[in-house]
Amino acid sequence: DTGVSQNPRHKITKRGQNVTFRCDPISEHNRLYWYRQTLGQGPEFLTYFQNEAQLEKSRLLSDRFSAERPKGSFSTLEIQRTEQGDSAMYLCASSPSTGYYGYTFGSGTRLTVV
Amino acid sequence: AQTVTQSQPEMSVQEAETVTLSCTYDTSESDYYLFWYKQPPSRQMILVIRQEAYKQQNATENRFSVNFQKAAKSFSLKISDSQLGDAAMYFCAYRRRSGGSNYKLTFGKGTLLTVNP
Repeated sequence: DTGVSQNPRHKITKRGQNVTFRCDPISEHNRLYWYRQTLGQGPEFLTYFQNEAQLEKSRLLSDRFSAERPKGSFSTLEIQRTEQGDSAMYLCASSPSTGYYGYTFGSGTRLTVV
Repeated sequence: AQTVTQSQPEMSVQEAETVTLSCTYDTSESDYYLFWYKQPPSRQMILVIRQEAYKQQNATENRFSVNFQKAAKSFSLKISDSQLGDAAMYFCAYRRRSGGSNYKLTFGKGTLLTVNP
């Protein structure tokens, strides 16, 4: 297992376009998380999946954001009608549901909206 | 709501020396976990060390150790014998152990550590 994989690593898009990011967690991890990190800040929680169920969604996520985790495997995060304020690093992480204390993070997808 | 504060935006240390990064947090919970994560320039966050609040003994992982002061809500990270590879952004993080949203990490803003040769 190579850890948590995120694609693409970098994405530049024009304002108003839609973008989709993908996260492949560690295969035996049933919990998956998305965080957003802006310059000079620590990561902020966006959403959480237990298997395929999205159990919590932060108020940071406007209606333009949607996340899915079909079949409890990989996850996608879609941003519709991107805005310059969406420019950030989007981090995915995974963990088992028991017997574990921290997460395993991916390398992130850096989004730049121009 | 829980908050995590890292008051040192940047720190520097000479190679082979010791450096301490500070972290304070605010919570009404009594049972929780604290973490230090390292984020090198490649941007992947790596768990450095964790501390369970119910344990009085300070956690240690090789050259990394913490000073956990529960009453003061302080959780500092000491890096001994600093190496060039320790240069990174370090984040302090909190997670409640049980109850609602106990999977959620709350991070500080980070401390950028520079190691000088």
